[in-house]
Amino acid sequence: DTEVTQTPKHLVMGMTNKKSLKCEQHMGHRAMYWYKQKAKKPPELMFVYSYEKLSINESVPSRFSPECPNSSLLNLHLHALQPEDSALYLCASSRGGVVAGWDEQYFGPGTRLTVT
Amino acid sequence: GQQVMQIPQYQHVQEGEDFTTYCNSSTTLSNIQWYKQRPGGHPVFLIQLVKSGEVKKQKRLTFQFGEAKKNSSLHITATQTTDVGTYFCAQYNFNKFYFGSGTKLNVKP
Repeated sequence: DTEVTQTPKHLVMGMTNKKSLKCEQHMGHRAMYWYKQKAKKPPELMFVYSYEKLSINESVPSRFSPECPNSSLLNLHLHALQPEDSALYLCASSRGGVVAGWDEQYFGPGTRLTVT
Repeated sequence: GQQVMQIPQYQHVQEGEDFTTYCNSSTTLSNIQWYKQRPGGHPVFLIQLVKSGEVKKQKRLTFQFGEAKKNSSLHITATQTTDVGTYFCAQYNFNKFYFGSGTKLNVKP
């Protein structure tokens, strides 16, 4: 199984809502990532979990809160978002932790988020 | 911020023509990765280059890493409509991982 799954596929939320994005992989990968991608732009790294510990936070606002319950699951909790946070949110995983170097990343299909 | 620039930003070719995208950095890169993202899709890993002057081939795709490790290229021979998408280079440096700005390829049948 070389698949990364993400739910939901689409999400519309108001600025006062609380929602969560979910990501799952069963490849035994030890690093998991959240990216944000705006239209016609490259993905931008938000967070990296390596061996279930948050190892990189790219100065992301606190209204985004990541969580790694176990080595297969990654969540992104959303609260009090702004319309400019509307984007495609991509999850990815890779074999090794980032300390050893950045392995090839396997991306999920993404969650398209619209904040109204 | 971004440390790798890609050119061109867009390329429109007729099916069967060749295509090349270039990735340039002002600093020496420890390695470079290439990804492809189809329209409406997600990035898919293509290759990783590590050594100075390295050349790798995947069927019609040829990847090169510059001798000074400051640039890289992806060349597609005889494009097909299935090659449509955005090609990103990406590089990491310690705790930083960046995608390049991307080259969007359109192939006319």
